[in-house]
Amino acid sequence: NAGVTQTPKFQVLKTGQSMTLQCAQDMNHNSMYWYRQDPGMGLRLIYYSASEGTTDKGEVPNGYNVSRLNKREFSLRLESAAPSQTSVYFCASSEIGQGHPEAFFGQGTRLTVV
Amino acid sequence: AQSVTQLGSHVSVSEGALVLLRCNYSSSVPPYLFWYVQYPNQGLQLLLKYTSAATLVKGINGFEAEFKKSETSFHLTKPSAHMSDAAEYFCAVNFSGGYQKVTFGTGTKLQVIP
Repeated sequence: NAGVTQTPKFQVLKTGQSMTLQCAQDMNHNSMYWYRQDPGMGLRLIYYSASEGTTDKGEVPNGYNVSRLNKREFSLRLESAAPSQTSVYFCASSEIGQGHPEAFFGQGTRLTVV
Repeated sequence: AQSVTQLGSHVSVSEGALVLLRCNYSSSVPPYLFWYVQYPNQGLQLLLKYTSAATLVKGINGFEAEFKKSETSFHLTKPSAHMSDAAEYFCAVNFSGGYQKVTFGTGTKLQVIP
């Protein structure tokens, strides 16, 4: 059981380039999330999708767009990368309802913008 | 404002010693609380969660945490540290609503000294 799979695992971009981070989950979860992790700042929510067909902004959405392609897949796009977007990006998924379920995380994408 | 505070960005313990990682939150309403562990170059993995069923919560790998409403704390402990416990630990709090409302602490890196 793969859980949450992110691609690529590593990426170096030049300032101004664009790229899409891919995420897929096989746990039949309704909700999916994109976080960024920066030293000393914990994880900050970029965008989330509570269910298929919906997306909403999180704490730090500027410079990013997302697409919930289907129930399994949730992609994050950087249209014009900036050095401030150098970070580790995590995709996560969780169920909805049933109290307060935890999220399951992918292994991360380490992005460097030069 | 609601917040999560992890005291100590780095904690060092000797192998076999008690592990104590501190987490405090600010909220007038008891939230739902999580502890996650992140091993190097990995995603986050749930250690345990508090959902009001019991104040002492047991998790994986011998970790446990106690919810203390009067102290607004949810400290993580393990009686005897093992070398494999070296990782970064994140406290996360869901003050209300769905998982998109979860706020992560800034993390504590645990070093275990042989």
